Amino acid sequence: DTAVSQTPKYLVTQMGNDKSIKCEQNLGHDTMYWYKQDSKKFLKIMFSYNNKELIINETVPNRFSPKSPDKAHLNLHINSLELGDSAVYFCASSHSTDTDTQYFGPGTRLTVL
Amino acid sequence: AQSVAQPEDQVNVAEGNPLTVKCTYSVSGNPYLFWYVQYPNRGLQFLLKYITGDNLVKGSYGFEAEFNKSQTSFHLKKPSALVSDSALYFCAVRDETSGSARQLTFGSGTQLTVLP
Repeated sequence: DTAVSQTPKYLVTQMGNDKSIKCEQNLGHDTMYWYKQDSKKFLKIMFSYNNKELIINETVPNRFSPKSPDKAHLNLHINSLELGDSAVYFCASSHSTDTDTQYFGPGTRLTVL
Repeated sequence: AQSVAQPEDQVNVAEGNPLTVKCTYSVSGNPYLFWYVQYPNRGLQFLLKYITGDNLVKGSYGFEAEFNKSQTSFHLKKPSALVSDSALYFCAVRDETSGSARQLTFGSGTQLTVLP
C-alpha cells in the first residue's frame, strides 16, 4: 500500500549520460513535485505539476525535464548528467487545496561519476 | 516572498527530557506551517501542520508545535524525548497568498540527537 513510490532507489552513472527517475502516487492527489536535496541536506523545489500541467518551474537547468503522463505519475528526465547533479531527488504529492499536506517518496540517490 | 529559518543546526537532549526545535518564518499574508521529520536514508514524513485555529497543534509520535504570530515562530516540542526521535527535522512554510503555486519553502533542517 505504498503511497508515493520512486524508482530506482539508487542510480550510479557516468557524466554525460541521460537518465530518468520515475514517481508514482496512489493517493488520488492531483499535484506532484520534484525536490532536490543536496549533500548539506538542503531541500529545494524543482518542479510542480497540477493535473499534468506545469505550475512551478524553479531555476533548474534545462537538462532537467519533467514529464507527467497522467496525474498519478511525474517522471524526471535528466540529460547530459554533470557531477553537480549528484544529490537525492524526492518526489512528493498533495491535493490541490490551500491547506494541502505534501507526502514524500523515499528518494532516489543519484551519483554521477 | 516567504522564508523560514531554523537557527540551530544541531540539538542534543537527554532521553526523557523535553525537547524544542526552533523555527521562525516570514510571509506576506497568513502562514501555513509544517513540520517534517527525515530519518537516515528515508523520505520526509509529515508530523503536523498549522493552518488556523488553536495555536497549539498536536501531531504524530507525541510531537506538538506552538504557533506564535507576534514572534513569527512555530517551534516543535515534545515533553519527553526518546532515542528513536533522533532524526533531521524540517520546518516549512507557505504563504496563503501564494496562489496556485502552493510552493513550500523548507528550512535548512535541525539534526536532533537524543542521548540515552
